[in-house]
Amino acid sequence: DGGITQSPKYLFRKEGQNVTLSCEQNLNHDAMYWYRQDPGQGLRLIYYSQIVNDFQKGDIAEGYSVSREKKESFPLTVTSAQKNPTAFYLCASSVRDYRNDEQFFGPGTRLTVL
Amino acid sequence: RKEVEQDPGPFNVPEGATVAFNCTYSNSASQSFFWYRQDCRKEPKLLMSVYSSGNEDGRFTAQLNRASQYISLLIRDSKLSDSATYLCVVGYNDMRFGAGTRLTVKP
Repeated sequence: DGGITQSPKYLFRKEGQNVTLSCEQNLNHDAMYWYRQDPGQGLRLIYYSQIVNDFQKGDIAEGYSVSREKKESFPLTVTSAQKNPTAFYLCASSVRDYRNDEQFFGPGTRLTVL
Repeated sequence: RKEVEQDPGPFNVPEGATVAFNCTYSNSASQSFFWYRQDCRKEPKLLMSVYSSGNEDGRFTAQLNRASQYISLLIRDSKLSDSATYLCVVGYNDMRFGAGTRLTVKP
């Protein structure tokens, strides 16, 4: 079955640690995205990538980093510089590299900083 | 002003009721419009795209009013399984998400 997978589902981190969230898709989609969702708020764009080896900052990129070495994979690292990292992180992809095209989401990773 | 605004609800309706959600957006140049459904602690899933002429998918009808900059979603004959949060999404250079409207359908 084609789809987007994210791992882990739940992640606990101590303050000061970097953690990496995995996102893989086998849909052959060009574009991939990372969002963060906080209670009572809409999804906010962290980073996006329209093509391999290229990515752009979204609205809230500070304290995060990404890579896009393969079309299928777009991992997100939450660094210790991110001041409030506890949130629900969602990875998405779209067929084309138009940023306003419909997007398909992975199941998400819940990150909690202890 | 938020770029995409929705009434957070919750909307509590009985089974079989008709319920309507509205969403307003601030960027008049927006080009794409969607409704997503999000179940509790799950990822958003595309419910339907919204076209200028309006579109229907079974019990769901979506409308776009560009002049007033709002989109709507109408759910007829509500089912228990319709209980979820409905996200309004508007695209221009990128996608902008509303915070969602929560719907609870009760027996």
